[in-house]
This record gives sequence, C-alpha cells and structure tokens, in this order.
Amino acid sequence: EAQVTQNPRYLITVTGKKLTVTCSQNMNHEYMSWYRQDPGLGLRQIYYSMNVEVTDKGDVPEGYKVSRKEKRNFPLILESPSPNQTSLYFCASSLSRQGAVRRGANVLTFGAGSRLTVL
Amino acid sequence: RKEVEQDPGPFNVPEGATVAFNCTYSNSASQSFFWYRQDCRKEPKLLMSVYSSGNEDGRFTAQLNRASQYISLLIRDSKLSDSATYLCVAITSNTGKLIFGQGTTLQVKP
Repeated sequence: EAQVTQNPRYLITVTGKKLTVTCSQNMNHEYMSWYRQDPGLGLRQIYYSMNVEVTDKGDVPEGYKVSRKEKRNFPLILESPSPNQTSLYFCASSLSRQGAVRRGANVLTFGAGSRLTVL
Repeated sequence: RKEVEQDPGPFNVPEGATVAFNCTYSNSASQSFFWYRQDCRKEPKLLMSVYSSGNEDGRFTAQLNRASQYISLLIRDSKLSDSATYLCVAITSNTGKLIFGQGTTLQVKP
C-alpha cells in the first residue's frame, strides 16, 4: 500500500531531550516536507526537500533539523525540544517538487501525524 | 494579511443542505489549487484538485476565479459524513511554495 509512515505517533518528552520523528514513504516521491499544525494557525511548513541531499527551510524552521540521505526517508530532529514545540506534526510527500507543472505530480500524501508534547 | 484566507466557521448545516466555502489568495502568481479534507486529529487528504476554471466530482464542485483571486467549494446534498475541516491550498509557480489556509469547519447535523 502506498503510504507515508511516521513514528512515533504520540510522544511526551521533557525540555532539552533530543528526539527524532521518522518519516518514510514507499512511493519513490522526490518531494518531502514537514508541517506542524497548531490551533488557529493552520498547517505551517518547517522544512522541505526537493530530492536526496537537498533540503530547505520552510516558514518555521527554528529549533528543527532535517536530513535527506535516502529518497524514502526524511527524519525531523529536535535537538533541544522546548514547550513551544508541542504540536501535531505531519510529514508529507509528492511525486515531484511543488510548482511542477505536471498535473497530479504535486498532490501531497500525508502521514498519519505525530502528536508531540514537550513538558 | 495571510496569503490564503478562509472563514474558519464552523458552518452548521442540516443534512441535505447545499453549502459553499470561499478561499481567497493574495499572490497572483499562485498557479495550482487544491481542496483537502481533514477529519479531527487526522491527516489531510486530497478532496479535489483545481487546475483550470473548476471541476466537479459527484456532490462536490470547485470553482476558480483568477480575476478575483478566490476558489470555492460547493457541497450539495450534505451528508453527516461530510463533517470535517476543509483546507484550501495554493501553490505559487515561481517559488514552488505551497500555502495552506487555516481551514473551514463543517458540521452537518441530522
């Protein structure tokens, strides 16, 4: 089944304890992205990747790191989590980069979400 | 001003009603548009792509008005299962950036 898998789905941690949220897709998609969703603020992009070894900042990258060493994986790293990073996180992927003209190629498939609480 | 704006609602409608949501975008370079549906605490899922002047899929119709820079979603014969949040999305062709609206919440009542 074509899907985006992220883990963990739920996590409670403490301030300063490094954590990684994994994201993997099995669709050979070029483009991957991380979003956070907060009440009243909607979905905001953290980082995105157009292809292997290519990553760029989104709208709210502070406090996060990413890597894209393989096409299928795009982990989100919180080196020193803080309470303002408590949020619902979504990983997403699409066949080609956003802005590509090919119809359907930039439709995003989302993972099921990771609910993170930082105490 | 937000790049993509939606009325958050909630829109409370009875079963069988027709309901319409509007979404405005501020960047005239926006080229592609989508409507995603998001159920409570779950991931957004594509409802419809809007590539040209609009398209229809069963009870759902999406329209694009480039002159006024808005897209709309019309739902006919609302079902209880249509209750969800509907996210409007615009992609800017020159940057490739994808911008989500905050979403409009629909509650369909029996």
